[in-house]
Amino acid sequence: DAGVTQSPTHLIKTRGQQVTLRCSPKSGHDTVSWYQQALGQGPQFIFQYYEEEERQRGNFPDRFSGHQFPNYSSELNVNALLLGDSALYLCASSYGTESYEQYFGPGTRLTVT
Amino acid sequence: DQQVKQNSPSLSVQEGRISILNCDYTNSMFDYFLWYKKYPAEGPTFLISISSIKDKNEDGRFTVFLNKSAKHLSLHIVPSQPGDSAVYFCAASRQGAQKLVFGQGTRLTINP
Repeated sequence: DAGVTQSPTHLIKTRGQQVTLRCSPKSGHDTVSWYQQALGQGPQFIFQYYEEEERQRGNFPDRFSGHQFPNYSSELNVNALLLGDSALYLCASSYGTESYEQYFGPGTRLTVT
Repeated sequence: DQQVKQNSPSLSVQEGRISILNCDYTNSMFDYFLWYKKYPAEGPTFLISISSIKDKNEDGRFTVFLNKSAKHLSLHIVPSQPGDSAVYFCAASRQGAQKLVFGQGTRLTINP
């Protein structure tokens, strides 16, 4: 039973650049949520995708956007990177919109220099 | 506005003893609470959860207690084992808003 997978594991970008992170949900799951975890903090909700649409959004600027594909995989895009975007980006999957329990991937460590 | 707080950044416990991790929340709309464990270089792993209609839930060595009037929950691990050393996150959610709101985490160290 494949769990949540994310790619790449880590990457380094320069301020002002754009980045795309990818996520494949756990087998049988159709809902993907993205979280940002800054050093020493808990994960913060960015947005959630279900049926290829953004269903909920946290307090993040429009520079953060996403997409969900028909196979339920998802991408997180961040434009005009800032130093403060350096963090661990976590993808979580769940089934439907009624399940509270989310299963997390290992994350992508983004460093902006 | 930190809606979920874990006021102890770290906790050290002797192997075999009980570990108690605490979490406070401010939003009375939260109706479901979860604990996650996180090892370095891995994503958070779901541990145990509790609905607001209950005040206790057990799963093996792990028990979560919920005190709604105090807006407080705790995770008890007994007996504590070296493999329990990790960062523990408390999270909360409410019906209709599937997003999880996390605390800052508590680093638990189990000493042999």
